[in-house]
Amino acid sequence: AQSVTQLGSHVSVSEGALVLLRCNYSSSVPPYLFWYVQYPNQGLQLLLKYTSAATLVKGINGFEAEFKKSETSFHLTKPSAHMSDAAEYFCGAGNEKLTFGTGTRLTIIP
Amino acid sequence: SQTIHQWPATLVQPVGSPLSLECTVEGTSNPNLYWYRQAAGRGLQLLFYSVGIGQISSEVPQNLSASRPQDRQFILSSKKLLLSDSGFYLCAWSADRERGYTFGSGTRLTVV
Repeated sequence: AQSVTQLGSHVSVSEGALVLLRCNYSSSVPPYLFWYVQYPNQGLQLLLKYTSAATLVKGINGFEAEFKKSETSFHLTKPSAHMSDAAEYFCGAGNEKLTFGTGTRLTIIP
Repeated sequence: SQTIHQWPATLVQPVGSPLSLECTVEGTSNPNLYWYRQAAGRGLQLLFYSVGIGQISSEVPQNLSASRPQDRQFILSSKKLLLSDSGFYLCAWSADRERGYTFGSGTRLTVV
């Protein structure tokens, strides 16, 4: 079965600094990969997705992620953090159904 | 455009009472439908998914059940709630695996 690991349940970065949220998946066959963002008491919003086209994927709000098959990774980055980026981020992987990691709560320090 | 509706937004229920959470999708046909539960520190757990009317797959044996009485309606139920059923329940739909899921706004269930 597919599993997804998000290293770091909490990440804090200063405003304007680089954001890096890590995600590794377990499948030997690259699945579809997604990053979602969740604000308090809301559903999940799609940030970006990898579907076997370009390995560097650009999403909304300045986020991007790079698929690395050799490392089975799909890390999420943003060059310059903004206060509005504070939220919880989930990495998902799968084909017919998605398995999600346990999430990373991102805090932005003013 | 497609929209997903989930209700109620919050619910407080006593232990042993029944549960019914409803999710409907508009603007598409034959969607894949999903129920997830989010518990603190545990991420998102897939509970049920459905690829068509009357077709329900259960991921985790538990106190809950799901039904799909109509093409765009997905219901999560329980006959007798347990304290451990508390959590944030999310419904989602997808047209195909490439597009990912669209999530509803969630139901915060507290069992007391």
